[in-house]
Amino acid sequence: GAVVSQHPSRVICKSGTSVKIECRSLDFQATTMFWYRQFPKQSLMLMATSNEGSKATYEQGVEKDKFLINHASLTLSTLTVTSAHPEDSSFYICSARDSFGPSNQPQHFGDGTRLSIL
Amino acid sequence: SQKIEQNSEALNIQEGKTATLTCNYTNYSPAYLQWYRQDPGRGPVFLLLIRENEKEKRKERLKVTFDTTLKQSLFHITASQPADSATYLCASSGGYNKLIFGAGTRLAVHP
Repeated sequence: GAVVSQHPSRVICKSGTSVKIECRSLDFQATTMFWYRQFPKQSLMLMATSNEGSKATYEQGVEKDKFLINHASLTLSTLTVTSAHPEDSSFYICSARDSFGPSNQPQHFGDGTRLSIL
Repeated sequence: SQKIEQNSEALNIQEGKTATLTCNYTNYSPAYLQWYRQDPGRGPVFLLLIRENEKEKRKERLKVTFDTTLKQSLFHITASQPADSATYLCASSGGYNKLIFGAGTRLAVHP
């Protein structure tokens, strides 16, 4: 079945560090991928839509300079949290769907990245 | 604005019973609804998708209904097992392949 791989699964780093998270679709191609943030016991909040070969689309209230997104190929999107601070600590999850399959395909999610900024 | 609500934050049931989770949507008419399972510290796992022209869909012990009049989807797990304990998320299409998620219902199945 469709698999989305997200790496790393856990990051602990000092305040001011920039952190890159990778999201790969392993057996399908995705022209769009999605990045979510999830706080404890809360639902997923969409941060941005990553578009292959073009700029990402950010949701209202999400700082594009803080959360840099790059979607250089049909199987890879990266999210870089720049100059991370403790308030950026959260669970980040990516998702993708097969862009070349039948319509109304479900989204498939990575296993998330737990980011902890000290 | 588009809104999805899952009424129960938590649901506790006895093993062997049927768990029923509710998802309501307001201010729009989604083309489809999806249900996901999420375990602690993991990403959501897709379970079922039901389209607006489908009234019911089944997969093994799972059943989903879609009532466009009531603007509601019900998710049933029959013969529930402790291994079914997880958070279940309802999501709907929000345009441009985006998903809008409900807050989730934490299901606990007790032996």
